[in-house]
Amino acid sequence: SAVISQKPSRDICQRGTSLTIQCQVDSQVTMMFWYRQQPGQSLTLIATANQGSEATYESGFVIDKFPISRPNLTFSTLTVSNMSPEDSSIYLCSVVSGEETEAFFGQGTRLTVV
Amino acid sequence: DAKTTQPPSMDCAEGRAANLPCNHSTISGNEYVYWYRQIHSQGPQYIIHGLKNNETNEMASLIITEDRKSSTLILPHATLRDTAVYYCIVRVWYSGGGADGLTFGKGTHLIIQP
Repeated sequence: SAVISQKPSRDICQRGTSLTIQCQVDSQVTMMFWYRQQPGQSLTLIATANQGSEATYESGFVIDKFPISRPNLTFSTLTVSNMSPEDSSIYLCSVVSGEETEAFFGQGTRLTVV
Repeated sequence: DAKTTQPPSMDCAEGRAANLPCNHSTISGNEYVYWYRQIHSQGPQYIIHGLKNNETNEMASLIITEDRKSSTLILPHATLRDTAVYYCIVRVWYSGGGADGLTFGKGTHLIIQP
């Protein structure tokens, strides 16, 4: 399975600022996804990160708030823009590799907005 | 993707088999059943998946009913480290690669008792 590294692992940010989360994989992968897990809740898919093109966002998530980049097959970033306390969550990167059907997850970025 | 229904919580004694049920009565013919678990403060971990046949790996066994409307994840000898939230997810698999993001329900909080 792919090894996924997310940075930072946690951060405390001021409201109104932005944070960029990085997801680095140790091998080329077919698909990359970003999820949010609000406190005490399950995971919610934010978007599919597409290499070389705009991400595909799920209902309720927009590019202006969560811009995503995926410049190559091993790296993606998620930015949480103009943060408010409601954005306090764990953000997780997930990948699917080649013919495999199972998805693998990073350890997440725990974001607290104050 | 089809919706799944799981009990919110279960207890199991250490060393015994843990049997986690999942209902997916609206599953389509091209949808697989996946199981993931999330140990506190970690990213979800893939456990097992199947289409219609029973499956076994080093972690668990997956029993899918003949009509595919329900399944059971079996952890044969539960340990304290198996305490986690277990998610049953159904998802279409595309031959040739490619995948959609996962739709997580609330899962089952399995507590292994010493």
